[in-house]
Amino acid sequence: QKEVEQNSGPLSVPEGAIASLNCTYSDRGSQSFFWYRQYSGKSPELIMFIYSNGDKEDGRFTAQLNKASQYVSLLIRDSQPSDSATYLCAVNGYGNKLVFGAGTILRVKS
Amino acid sequence: DTAVSQTPKYLVTQMGNDKSIKCEQNLGHDTMYWYKQDSKKFLKIMFSYNNKELIINETVPNRFSPKSPDKAHLNLHINSLELGDSAVYFCASSQAASEYNEQFFGPGTRLTVL
Repeated sequence: QKEVEQNSGPLSVPEGAIASLNCTYSDRGSQSFFWYRQYSGKSPELIMFIYSNGDKEDGRFTAQLNKASQYVSLLIRDSQPSDSATYLCAVNGYGNKLVFGAGTILRVKS
Repeated sequence: DTAVSQTPKYLVTQMGNDKSIKCEQNLGHDTMYWYKQDSKKFLKIMFSYNNKELIINETVPNRFSPKSPDKAHLNLHINSLELGDSAVYFCASSQAASEYNEQFFGPGTRLTVL
């Protein structure tokens, strides 16, 4: 069983729609969760982190965490073509070791 | 005002050679990391140093040797390069080594072994 699982996509949404990206993890003891965005040929860029159950909003982005279901998601409202990228879910463990999912490719069509 | 920098950006070399990649951060962070992103874009941690001490050493061939001369620098030396070492290597840093610390990535070094 993979430690962090994401649907590889691509997930295609029209401009202005809500994009919903999902991630599940296997280590029930995980405490911190991160979403990174990676454009092709670029480095991962942190866009959200969440530590507590529930929702956390930052601009057009909302991260949602459900530790009981071992599920974390990222919602992007009013999606723009510039949001087209690979979104990496990462779960933290001992020594700040980040375990990444394989990423979901998001395509926003204008 | 680059936060995490790496050199070189591209590295093309022959099998069997030895090469090094350098990383520097000016964020004042205590912890630095090396990650490898393979051709399928899967990003996996290799090493982590906290205040110059090795704290994470994943299952990586011993041809890979990290060195941290001070907490702002973390270098990666690779001996006897193999075709399978071709990948993008990312350096990252965080304030501390605890779980509640965001990691910030450098621009990456694309290594191609011929």
